[in-house]
Amino acid sequence: GDSVTQMEGPVTLSEEACLTINCTYTATGYPSLFWYVQYPGEGLQLLLKATKADDKGSNKGFEATYRKETTSFHLEKGSVQVSDSAVYFCALSGDYKLSFGAGTTVTVRA
Amino acid sequence: ETGVTQTPRHLVMGMTNKKSLKCEQHLGHNAMYWYKQSAKKPLELMFVYNFKEQTENNSVPSRFSPECPNSSHLFLHLHTLQPEDSALYLCASSQGTGGTGGANVLTFGAGSRLTVL
Repeated sequence: GDSVTQMEGPVTLSEEACLTINCTYTATGYPSLFWYVQYPGEGLQLLLKATKADDKGSNKGFEATYRKETTSFHLEKGSVQVSDSAVYFCALSGDYKLSFGAGTTVTVRA
Repeated sequence: ETGVTQTPRHLVMGMTNKKSLKCEQHLGHNAMYWYKQSAKKPLELMFVYNFKEQTENNSVPSRFSPECPNSSHLFLHLHTLQPEDSALYLCASSQGTGGTGGANVLTFGAGSRLTVL
């Protein structure tokens, strides 16, 4: 079945450092790919998405490119802030169900 | 109110209690979901409702009983729970469940933190 594998955390960074969270997927067909973010004490919220190969999703300085050849959707940000501290989830939408990765906890220190 | 609202935010119950979690969405969505989020484990899909009909029960124990009276409201009735059921229960909604693209982008509530003693 469809599945998503993302790098395990936790990840601790200093402010203004670069962040990359790796995500690879296994799916039949042509899924949509998502990154969700969960800030402390809150539910998940959509960060960005890409619905077809070579699409780039972007939001709040984060970017991810849908790479069909490597079945990847890595999340990147060039300069993180303390407010980016959160748990990040890669997700895949197949026929009708959303499959989530295990989540990566990111802590940004001032 | 806008978005997806869950109540209560925190719940502590004994193993013999009966309680319910409530979820309400104000987005005009047709599909609603319950997820379980436990520490150090992936999000677990529990139930999916589409147009009030249950379309997914992910082998959830019968001590969890969902109810979806209309497309805007979703309940999770809890009975005779175990300590390992302690978790954050997340409700979500989406416009639909079919196909890829935007229809199944989920909007989540803030969750109900359940502790079973």
